[in-house]
Amino acid sequence: EVQLVESGGGLVQPGGSLRLSCAVSGFNFSNYWMTWVRQAPGTGLEWVANIRQDGDEKYYVDSVRGRFAISRDNAKNSLYLHMTSLRDEDTAVYFCARDFCGADCFGYFDYWGQGILVAVSS
Amino acid sequence: DIQMTQSPSSLSASVGDRVTITCRTSQNIYRSVNWYQQKPGKAPKLLIYAALTLQSGVPSRFSGSESGTEFTLTISSLQPEDFATYYCQQCYTTPVCTFGQGTKLEIK
Repeated sequence: EVQLVESGGGLVQPGGSLRLSCAVSGFNFSNYWMTWVRQAPGTGLEWVANIRQDGDEKYYVDSVRGRFAISRDNAKNSLYLHMTSLRDEDTAVYFCARDFCGADCFGYFDYWGQGILVAVSS
Repeated sequence: DIQMTQSPSSLSASVGDRVTITCRTSQNIYRSVNWYQQKPGKAPKLLIYAALTLQSGVPSRFSGSESGTEFTLTISSLQPEDFATYYCQQCYTTPVCTFGQGTKLEIK
């Protein structure tokens, strides 16, 4: 059974930092692109970042580039999102997901975690 | 940038109705459109990928079609569990993918 489980969310002050983790099981993690998607309260889905299988290619939405860093540890079957200089508008539920083929084709996100809340507030 | 316009933003329908949701793109993006269903408090679920292909395990009452820059999700006969929010997604600009604005499907 495929499982993606996010952790590390919580309440943080503006300007603060947080690291999200996504523990993966049930498929060969090192064979797939992975992605983060977020959803602010009451709004739609926003793609945030993704990362190639070997970790050497990464992409970000403009609003987080330079503040967020996506990474992965294939030995630990884990995906990370290191968030710095957090703003009120980063408040959202963050989902990790498997990106079926990333840059290698017109992909899609076929497995998702349950999501983790990040709340940025003073 | 590719613009995606999803419509309608909300829709009321009854069990047994046929429902269509549309995404229009600003340019031809071939079949690089996917459809997701999201229920409150839950993660999105992939329904259709590459515009036409039903994801494994998804009921056959869901289908996708495309005509140029118009992509459609059709539910042939609404079931009670289908009331949710639906999103289209384009991955033509892969590995950067963007979502439509969403369509909330409510019970009439």
